[in-house]
Amino acid sequence: DIQMTQSPSTLSASVGDRVTITCRASQSISSWVAWYQKKPGKAPWLLISEASTLESGVPSRFSGSGSGTEFTLTITSLQPDDVAIYYCQQYDSYPYNFGQGTKLEIK
Amino acid sequence: QVQLVQSGAEVKRPGSSVKVSCKASGGTFSSAAISWVRQAPGQGLEWMGGIIPIFETANYAQKFQGRVTITADESTTTAYMELSSLRSEDTADYYCALGTRSSWFHEYWGHGTQVTVSS
Repeated sequence: DIQMTQSPSTLSASVGDRVTITCRASQSISSWVAWYQKKPGKAPWLLISEASTLESGVPSRFSGSGSGTEFTLTITSLQPDDVAIYYCQQYDSYPYNFGQGTKLEIK
Repeated sequence: QVQLVQSGAEVKRPGSSVKVSCKASGGTFSSAAISWVRQAPGQGLEWMGGIIPIFETANYAQKFQGRVTITADESTTTAYMELSSLRSEDTADYYCALGTRSSWFHEYWGHGTQVTVSS
């Protein structure tokens, strides 16, 4: 199975900051990574597919990059509404595992 | 625009089974990639398994192999997830998720079904 390891587990930043979350795959998965935002009591929301493709309706302050085994999700100019847990998911081969999540807080 | 409506919350006894449904509307169902994902209290997202209805065969995470059955009924555009031999650790929110672009990422999600396992 492909394991996805996210870092950091928790991230505290100020409004307006640039934040970066990293996801590492245990083997090369090309660009087959998606990023989701999860808020309590809500379903996950797809932000990015294929490592860097911004989904429709997602604010442009979100971006993704990477290929192979290392991937990043970046939020430029952090907003209060971005408080959530962020998950990466590989869809190169099943089981289509998620990372353990990164909790993003506002300082 | 696809909508996914899941069945309601369940309370189950240890050792029993639960079957959660996910009714899809507004899009192509037969060729969609449908996954079941759960989130236990305080835990992360966990992929349980998935199915493409037109192919009928489901794939499962090894952790759930032998306890989970995922099926899909094309005539009613409804997917199902049945989990057996329930234990307290199976207490979680269970989500169905659907992808329309021939890949196993999911742009559409159900609202979640809370399953509580308690004696």
